[in-house]
Amino acid sequence: GESVGLHLPTLSVQEGDNSIINCAYSNSASDYFIWYKQESGKGPQFIIDIRSNMDKRQGQRVTVLLNKTVKHLSLQIAATQPGDSAVYFCAEGGGSYIPTFGRGTSLIVHP
Amino acid sequence: NAGVTQTPKFQVLKTGQSMTLQCAQDMNHEYMSWYRQDPGMGLRLIHYSVGAGITDQGEVPNGYNVSRSTTEDFPLRLLSAAPSQTSVYFCASSWDGSYEQYFGPGTRLTVT
Repeated sequence: GESVGLHLPTLSVQEGDNSIINCAYSNSASDYFIWYKQESGKGPQFIIDIRSNMDKRQGQRVTVLLNKTVKHLSLQIAATQPGDSAVYFCAEGGGSYIPTFGRGTSLIVHP
Repeated sequence: NAGVTQTPKFQVLKTGQSMTLQCAQDMNHEYMSWYRQDPGMGLRLIHYSVGAGITDQGEVPNGYNVSRSTTEDFPLRLLSAAPSQTSVYFCASSWDGSYEQYFGPGTRLTVT
């Protein structure tokens, strides 16, 4: 099947910097894109989603950007904090409300 | 609310043994899913359910069975454990019409 993947497996940033986590997707039929955060030893936690008819959505300290032309999704985290250190997964959905997950990228925040 | 609970947290099985991973949710969610997560990998869907009495296969269903007799519970059965089933298993639940899944803490399974 078609897959969801990430450009970078690991991203290291300094506390206070902005972080950008990228994701490439290949299924142009997907109508939702979702970001999850997984802290070490825990289950994933929903962060934010965006519908395919939108190109930007903001949450608390996070912004998701969707570029359907190049099939690219990004998660921006403002003023990154040590508590943001985790693995971030992008996922996509095509109407079943059961998302398909990508491989994940590890965000390391240095104090 | 307890959210999504999973038992056991850890389990070691010998090849050929069977067992059931338990999952329960108290949020009255219609949808429940089982995923496995292998090192450095994302989550792969094993089976899912959109309501009591309704189940369907995901990406990697072989070697696993599920049933959904109640809204709250969604057990995953390993029929004859194999080393390839060594993984961390996550159960999740969600409302119909939402991609916001609530995950349990996971079960770490080792098959020797």
